[in-house]
Amino acid sequence: GNSVTQMEGPVTLSEEAFLTINCTYTATGYPSLFWYVQYPGEGLQLLLKATKADDKGSNKGFEATYRKETTSFHLEKGSVQVSDSAVYFCALKGFQKLVFGTGTRLLVSP
Amino acid sequence: KAGVTQTPRYLIKTRGQQVTLSCSPISGHRSVSWYQQTPGQGLQFLFEYFSETQRNKGNFPGRFSGRQFSNSRSEMNVSTLELGDSALYLCASSLVNARVTNTGELFFGEGSRLTVL
Repeated sequence: GNSVTQMEGPVTLSEEAFLTINCTYTATGYPSLFWYVQYPGEGLQLLLKATKADDKGSNKGFEATYRKETTSFHLEKGSVQVSDSAVYFCALKGFQKLVFGTGTRLLVSP
Repeated sequence: KAGVTQTPRYLIKTRGQQVTLSCSPISGHRSVSWYQQTPGQGLQFLFEYFSETQRNKGNFPGRFSGRQFSNSRSEMNVSTLELGDSALYLCASSLVNARVTNTGELFFGEGSRLTVL
């Protein structure tokens, strides 16, 4: 079945550092890919998405490119802020339900 | 536009009891999905409803059930609670039509945190 694998956290960075959170997937067909973010005490919010190979999703300075050849959808940001501290979930949507990775906690210190 | 509203936000139950959680989707959203979030298992899909019909179901025992009303509001029920049912239960709504299960663009509520003692 469809599955998503994310890097283990927590990822600890200083403010203005470069961020990469790795995500790889296993799926049949051509899934859509997503990054969701969960801030403390809140539900998940859609951060960005890509629906086909080579698409780049972007939002709030975050980017991820749908790489079919490496089955990856890594999340990047050039300069993180303390307010980016949250849990980030990679997800894929095949024919039916949305499947989430286990989440990666990001901690950004001043 | 109001977001997804879940009630109650927090509740404590004891083993063997049952619980009902409620979810009001964003106005105009007809699809409602439920997820269980735990530190060990992450986000696990429970079920999805569209126009009062369950369209998808995850791998949970029959103690977990749900329903959707004509106004798209949804409830989920867990009977005979076990300690392992302690979790954050998240509801999400989606703007879809009858032909598309969902687009993957879900709008989540803040969740109902259930503690089973």
